[in-house]
Amino acid sequence: SQKIEQNSEALNIQEGKTATLTCNYTNYSPAYLQWYRQDPGRGPVFLLLIRENEKEKRKERLKVTFDTTLKQSLFHITASQPADSATYLCALDMNTGFQKLVFGTGTRLLVSP
Amino acid sequence: NAGVTQTPKFQVLKTGQSMTLQCAQDMNHNSMYWYRQDPGMGLRLIYYSASEGTTDKGEVPNGYNVSRLNKREFSLRLESAAPSQTSVYFCASSEGQGDKDGYTFGSGTRLTVV
Repeated sequence: SQKIEQNSEALNIQEGKTATLTCNYTNYSPAYLQWYRQDPGRGPVFLLLIRENEKEKRKERLKVTFDTTLKQSLFHITASQPADSATYLCALDMNTGFQKLVFGTGTRLLVSP
Repeated sequence: NAGVTQTPKFQVLKTGQSMTLQCAQDMNHNSMYWYRQDPGMGLRLIYYSASEGTTDKGEVPNGYNVSRLNKREFSLRLESAAPSQTSVYFCASSEGQGDKDGYTFGSGTRLTVV
C-alpha cells in the first residue's frame, strides 16, 4: 500500500543547532514534494516545494533534499530558534497532472533555548 | 488579509444532526480541497474541486457532500453527523495545476459530535 512515513517521535534540539527531519515514502512516484509547518490550533503553512528533478532547494535557513532513488526527503533548519518549534508535514503530489497532495502525519520539532 | 476563511471555528453537534462547513478564498485560486485531521492519521482528503463546477471524491468521502458554489466558495455538508466525524476540518485552495506553489489552508473548524 502507499505510505508516507515521518518520525512520530518529537525531535528535541538546542537553539543554534541544525534540525533534520525525514520523510520516507513507498509506492509513490511524485512529481514533486512539499513541506509545511503547522502550529497548534492553526492550519498548515506552505514552506518549500522541490521537484523530482531537483536534488536540493534552499530558502533562508531552510534546506530540502529529494532523493527519488531512496524515496526520501530531508528537511533541514540551520541555526534553529525556539520560534521554529512546530510540527512539520511533508506532502507528496500524486502525479496525476492535477495538484492533489497526500500528507504525512508530521514530526514535532522542539527547540530549547 | 488575503487567504482562506472557514466558518465556524468550533461546533458541537448531536449524533444525527446536520451542518454545513463554509469555506471561501480570495486568491482567485482554481482548486479547493477539504481535509480532516485526526491524531496519528494526518491530513486526509475528503473531497476536492479541481475547478469551478467540478467536484471529486478523495480518500474518505463517506458521510460528506460538497458544493462548489462559485470560484470563491466550497462548502462541506454533513447530512447526519456521527461520532466518527469528530475531527478538525481544514479547507485549502491552490492554483491546481503546475508545481510552483503549495496549498493555502484555512484555520480549521473543530467539530465534536456527541
